[in-house]
Amino acid sequence: DTAVSQTPKYLVTQMGNDKSIKCEQNLGHDTMYWYKQDSKKFLKIMFSYNNKELIINETVPNRFSPKSPDKAHLNLHINSLELGDSAVYFCASSQGPGANTEAFFGQGTRLTVV
Amino acid sequence: AQSVTQLGSHVSVSEGALVLLRCNYSSSVPPYLFWYVQYPNQGLQLLLKYTTGATLVKGINGFEAEFKKSETSFHLTKPSAHMSDAAEYFCAVSDAMNTGFQKLVFGTGTRLLVSP
Repeated sequence: DTAVSQTPKYLVTQMGNDKSIKCEQNLGHDTMYWYKQDSKKFLKIMFSYNNKELIINETVPNRFSPKSPDKAHLNLHINSLELGDSAVYFCASSQGPGANTEAFFGQGTRLTVV
Repeated sequence: AQSVTQLGSHVSVSEGALVLLRCNYSSSVPPYLFWYVQYPNQGLQLLLKYTTGATLVKGINGFEAEFKKSETSFHLTKPSAHMSDAAEYFCAVSDAMNTGFQKLVFGTGTRLLVSP
């Protein structure tokens, strides 16, 4: 009964391909996020959605396109994959978008671009 | 912009010894501070957070942290390390300055190694 679940857990693909990562949360939260963790374990926010609306869009190449079909889901589509996109992508959710709220993280999707 | 510095990419302790993981922050407004733990091949789990009020914050698994404004620090401690504490620990500050929304800004992490 996982709170924040991501699929797939591992993704190996070739350069130039397009791929999607799916995220679902069953916590009833309003806010969802995508974070990227690079090979040095550095974590950085990419996007945040609140009630299906984009509220944070960091400096991310426009090859990355998030989509939130409803409050419980936030998917990440990546076009024309590059070697530098290899990372672990974490989905997270929080009750609201406020600065003091706790974020609950999924287990991550390890993306390897070859 | 807010930032976090974690001193020491690796910290090694013996089982039963004191754990001290250092975190200093930079913020022009009162910060919200968090410690997260990441076990191998897993997501991040909140250990504790400081928002307002009491500066000594107690978290899960026997961890605690003290917010010291004068030192801009939020160090994480545990009196007695267990083998199961071996993990990566991340300090984070919530940067909500521009949008009012939470945007966690993480430190580079500290790997805690516990030896028998």
